[in-house]
Amino acid sequence: KAGVTQTPRYLIKTRGQQVTLSCSPISGHRSVSWYQQTPGQGLQFLFEYFSETQRNKGNFPGRFSGRQFSNSRSEMNVSTLELGDSALYLCASSQIPGLADYNEQFFGPGTRLTVL
Amino acid sequence: GENVEQHPSTLSVQEGDSAVIKCTYSDSASNYFPWYKQELGKGPQLIIDIRSNVGEKKDQRIAVTLNKTAKHFSLHITETQPEDSAVYFCAANEKLTFGTGTRLTIIP
Repeated sequence: KAGVTQTPRYLIKTRGQQVTLSCSPISGHRSVSWYQQTPGQGLQFLFEYFSETQRNKGNFPGRFSGRQFSNSRSEMNVSTLELGDSALYLCASSQIPGLADYNEQFFGPGTRLTVL
Repeated sequence: GENVEQHPSTLSVQEGDSAVIKCTYSDSASNYFPWYKQELGKGPQLIIDIRSNVGEKKDQRIAVTLNKTAKHFSLHITETQPEDSAVYFCAANEKLTFGTGTRLTIIP
């Protein structure tokens, strides 16, 4: 069974631009979560989607948005990029929302975004 | 909201020795605590987890202990090997909160 895939793997943008990242979950998984990973802040939860609906949202500005499609694939968008948005963006999928021992969350390799 | 603190941020141990990483959480509603291992260029991978109704769980060289009263849980790795070198994250299920990570280096 294929794992979680994220595209692109690397991205370089300049301040003020916008970016869209894509995540394809494991087949059969309907929940997708997004995280931002930086050396200073660690892994921070962005949002969680299930059945095309956002179920949970972390403490990030409105410039960060996402959506989920009927095939469970998800995209996240960051508008008006800032230097501080440089990070590894990780997507994780699970069968249903939330963390639990019966609901393991599988991570993709991430998209490395660099904002110049 | 939930806050998960993780210590130490870096840890170096001699091959064959034990490593211990500790986390504390703030939300008493949290009832599930996974540990992840992240190797270079990869996403985090679940290595062991524990539910709040259990005090300890072992899986070969890895064990996790939980103290609900004190709101802390720990990862124990025994007989460390070079392939254990990675960044380890703890997490609590409420608000999907992760610790800041521990970079573990095993010295051959």
